[in-house]
Amino acid sequence: NAGVIQTPRHKVTGKGQEATLWCEPISGHSAVFWYRQTIVQGLEFLTYFRNQAPIDDSGMPKERFSAQMPNQSHSTLKIQSTQPQDSAVYLCASSIGTGSYEQYFGPGTRLTVL
Amino acid sequence: AQSVTQPDARVTVSEGASLQLRCKYSYSATPYLFWYVQYPRQGLQLLLKYYSGDPVVQGVNGFEAEFSKSNSSFHLRKASVHWSDSAVYFCAVSTGFASALTFGSGTKVIVLP
Repeated sequence: NAGVIQTPRHKVTGKGQEATLWCEPISGHSAVFWYRQTIVQGLEFLTYFRNQAPIDDSGMPKERFSAQMPNQSHSTLKIQSTQPQDSAVYLCASSIGTGSYEQYFGPGTRLTVL
Repeated sequence: AQSVTQPDARVTVSEGASLQLRCKYSYSATPYLFWYVQYPRQGLQLLLKYYSGDPVVQGVNGFEAEFSKSNSSFHLRKASVHWSDSAVYFCAVSTGFASALTFGSGTKVIVLP
């Protein structure tokens, strides 16, 4: 079991460029979560999917951020027109779903916007 | 809405000493509680979880936590720390099945040789 896989591990973009972050959940897990971690704000929930359907995106900034889960093996978080304040570690987690509450995290993608 | 408070931003202990990290939660219904650990440049690793039953739960690497409904707390303990326990520890609460986690601000633990 490879755990949750996130790529790339590090991404540097210029202000105004687009960034796409990838997450591969643990095989058999039906729920995928995205979080953002910064020194100032700590760990913040962004969005989550269950059985590929978007369930809750209450933490997503309304502009420039979007997430998809086109199949059960991966999810993407896209940030358009990146800004320096988007610099953070983006963490993906998956959960088996049925009868389970714990989440298993990937190593994160460190996004730096210059 | 739920919330988690970790009052200690940083704790320094000597190797071999005991450790207690405090966590208070706020949630009106039954909480599902977790402790995670984060080592530098890594993701979060689950240490232990509490859903119901015995208020003392055992986790990995000798960690245990005690749930108190009356105090709305879920404190983490370890009897004897090792230098490798140096990390940031997060307490988290979930409100139900496949729900987002709400995290505390974390406690950085430094173990001195």
